[in-house]
Parts: sequence; C-alpha cells; structure tokens
Amino acid sequence: GAVVSQHPSWVICKSGTSVKIECRSLDFQATTMFWYRQFPKQSLMLMATSNEGSKATYEQGVEKDKFLINHASLTLSTLTVTSAHPEDSSFYICSARDRLGAHLTSGSSYNEQFFGPGTRLTVL
Amino acid sequence: QKEVEQDPGPLSVPEGAIVSLNCTYSNSAFQYFMWYRQYSRKGPELLMYTYSSGNKEDGRFTAQVDKSSKYISLFIRDSQPSDSATYLCAMSLTDSWGKLQFGAGTQVVVTP
Repeated sequence: GAVVSQHPSWVICKSGTSVKIECRSLDFQATTMFWYRQFPKQSLMLMATSNEGSKATYEQGVEKDKFLINHASLTLSTLTVTSAHPEDSSFYICSARDRLGAHLTSGSSYNEQFFGPGTRLTVL
Repeated sequence: QKEVEQDPGPLSVPEGAIVSLNCTYSNSAFQYFMWYRQYSRKGPELLMYTYSSGNKEDGRFTAQVDKSSKYISLFIRDSQPSDSATYLCAMSLTDSWGKLQFGAGTQVVVTP
C-alpha cells in the first residue's frame, strides 16, 4: 500500500512552454501533498505544500506564479511549470501523507510522507 | 550554514562490510529523524525513523540519534551490492506533520 505515482516520468519541452506534472496517491487519501525539486547530487528542496481544497503554501524564494499548484481532490495534485526556461530543468518529486494514517511506536507518532518516483524535466 | 550537513561521498565499500553514514544538524528543535534510500532517478523511500534520541534497529539497519551532539548515524551491516544507492537523512520539527529538511545525500557503492 501507500503508492504515489507521477506522470510523466520524463518530459522535454521548449523554452517558454508550460509543463504540467501530476501526482496521484493510488491507494490512500492524501490531505497534504508536497512538491520538491532536486538538482543533480543535491538535496531535495521543498517547493510548496499543497492542501486539498485550499491554496498551496510556497517556500521562500519559490515563485508562485511560475510554479502553479492545484490540489483539487484527495488523490491528485498537479504542478504546472509556466513559461519554462533551461534553469527550470530538474527532477521534480512529490510526496503525500495519508489523511488517516499515523504510525505509532513507543508513544510517538509519525505520519510518513510517501514519495513518488519523480519527473525529470528538461527544458531546451 | 546549511541546517543539515551530510557528506555527499561517494562511499565505496566491499560487499559484507559495514556502511557508516552520518549527518549533523544545527537546529536543536528537530525531533524526528529519518533515513531515506534513493536509487538513481527514483523517489526516496523511508528506511527508518527515530523520535528524539536513542537507537533503533531493523534487520541490517541501525539508526542512532545523539541530540546532545546534534549528530545522527545509520549503519548498514553485511552490505550487499543492492544497497548501492544514495542515502538521505531528513529531519522535522516538533510535530509529526512538520516539513522535512533533507541532507544532501551520501552516495554508497557496495562492490562485489
């Protein structure tokens, strides 16, 4: 269980075009989804937190008008890179938290983020 | 200074050896400490998590947290070539719904 998919897995586009990436939780409902960006040999950097039915919360330095996030249902969030440029080329990864789940152990609880397989975006 | 520091490696070990990975951090408010494994061009998968200080063991994996030193470790015993991957540490603040702060990841290569 707890599978998160992303589509597409790989996309090449021309500079100036827009690209939409989908993130789906396949077997659970996710109230919250996260979008990360990862450059080669670098860490995952959180871009935004997406809550179903409300506006996304963007991290400092991330342009909300350039990276449009929509979380229209409990199983789907989309990231649209608008007017993409070569510097936007990166590996984009989403994650989702189970609305109902929490892993209890030793008196503490941790609500795991389940990660998608990532989308590699190349902007020419 | 980054909040979470992790040596990117690569770390090369022979099959059967113990792999030792670690991260240091600066924010004493972190309470949840995680280790993820990421294969090339894939999303991370959670290996282990620890709440506050202490040790945790799961099969060949042992995670240690020393909050006084702001230092966490992951040990992999009897390493296998299939353990070759990038290992990322991650941390979150006082509640389990908090955002994750990742280290840069250490690339591990286990040679047959």
